[in-house]
Amino acid sequence: GQQLNQSPQSMFIQEGEDVSMNCTSSSIFNTWLWYKQEPGEGPVLLIALYKAGELTSNGRLTAQFGITRKDSFLNISASIPSDVGIYFCAGDDTGANSKLTFGKGITLSVRP
Amino acid sequence: EAGVVQSPRYKIIEKKQPVAFWCNPISGHNTLYWYRQNLGQGPELLIRYENEEAVDDSQLPKDRFSAERLKGVDSTLKIQPAELGDSAVYLCASSLDRVAAQYFGPGTRLTVL
Repeated sequence: GQQLNQSPQSMFIQEGEDVSMNCTSSSIFNTWLWYKQEPGEGPVLLIALYKAGELTSNGRLTAQFGITRKDSFLNISASIPSDVGIYFCAGDDTGANSKLTFGKGITLSVRP
Repeated sequence: EAGVVQSPRYKIIEKKQPVAFWCNPISGHNTLYWYRQNLGQGPELLIRYENEEAVDDSQLPKDRFSAERLKGVDSTLKIQPAELGDSAVYLCASSLDRVAAQYFGPGTRLTVL
């Protein structure tokens, strides 16, 4: 089946630093989504990407839909302590029988 | 605008007992999803509804799991009987339609003893 690869499993950065996260797939996707999940909560949608090459920002977050449609990245600039959480990428080929496939997530820690 | 509402937030039961989870999606969202999330993993789809019709239940363990969305709005997911391996977070999500972005509720954390 489809698999999304996110690595490393954990990232540790200093407050104020920028961080970049990658997500790669063995399959082509038509939609890429980035979610953040905090303890005891459901995933919160950060950015949705619908077209290959699309670059979208949401405040300090920027995400891009790779032109091969097999990858996406998320950048967080000038990190702050509340950026702590698990960041999931998810891809969907939006076919009739497709479903949203999630990566295993990257746990981000921000040192004040 | 209210988000996806789920209840209960936590549930602890003994194995072989039944359990049910409830979800109310965002108003106007026709598509509703139930996911299961195991520790250290991303969510995995159990079932997807388009209005009141279950259009993808291929990942739902049908021997013990059932779901319904009778009026095409809120939905219930049931497990009967529960097994130890069912301990997980059960997430509900909704979207305007099949291709729109999905919005998740806070989840129900199930512990089976």
